[in-house]
Amino acid sequence: GQQLNQSPQSMFIQEGEDVSMNCTSSSIFNTWLWYKQDPGEGPVLLIALYKAGELTSNGRLTAQFGITRKDSFLNISASIPSDVGIYFCAGHSSSQFYFGTGTSLTVIP
Amino acid sequence: NAGVTQTPKFQVLKTGQSMTLQCAQDMNHEYMSWYRQDPGMGLRLIHYSVGAGITDQGEVPNGYNVSRSTTEDFPLRLLSAAPSQTSVYFCASTTSGELFFGEGSRLTVL
Repeated sequence: GQQLNQSPQSMFIQEGEDVSMNCTSSSIFNTWLWYKQDPGEGPVLLIALYKAGELTSNGRLTAQFGITRKDSFLNISASIPSDVGIYFCAGHSSSQFYFGTGTSLTVIP
Repeated sequence: NAGVTQTPKFQVLKTGQSMTLQCAQDMNHEYMSWYRQDPGMGLRLIHYSVGAGITDQGEVPNGYNVSRSTTEDFPLRLLSAAPSQTSVYFCASTTSGELFFGEGSRLTVL
């Protein structure tokens, strides 16, 4: 099955720094989703994007639906220790969901 | 607000044993699905259902069986467990494009 290209694979940042990660696909999607997964837990939906070019914020998180509908970006501003976890993207089209392999974020206090 | 509920959270099986992972959602979602998550491989679709009485195979269906008799429930059956089925299993549901996950069932097959 198709997997989305997500980068970077891992990030080590200082508390207070901003974070950017992105996902790209060879296919067009109708919806882009961003999730956070803590160890031993299920993925939690952070942001959903429905339109090309859409920019949506959820607190310190901002995500964008790429104009080509083949990519999406997630930014986290002013990172804090509880931002630690794995973030992954998902694209949705034709009743199917496709997932990135995740970005592991470590925040150093 | 329960959302998607999976049971059990942990299970250890011996090779050849069968078991059922339960999944229930209380959001009246038509679409339900099962994924397995393995290190370095992301989420892979096992089976999915677009409504009661309708199921279909995903990317990795071999060794698994599903049924959808009600909108709320979507159990995943392992017919004869193998060590390769050691994984974390997630059930998810949606009606609008926002996919919601359960907390996972961690299965070890010895």
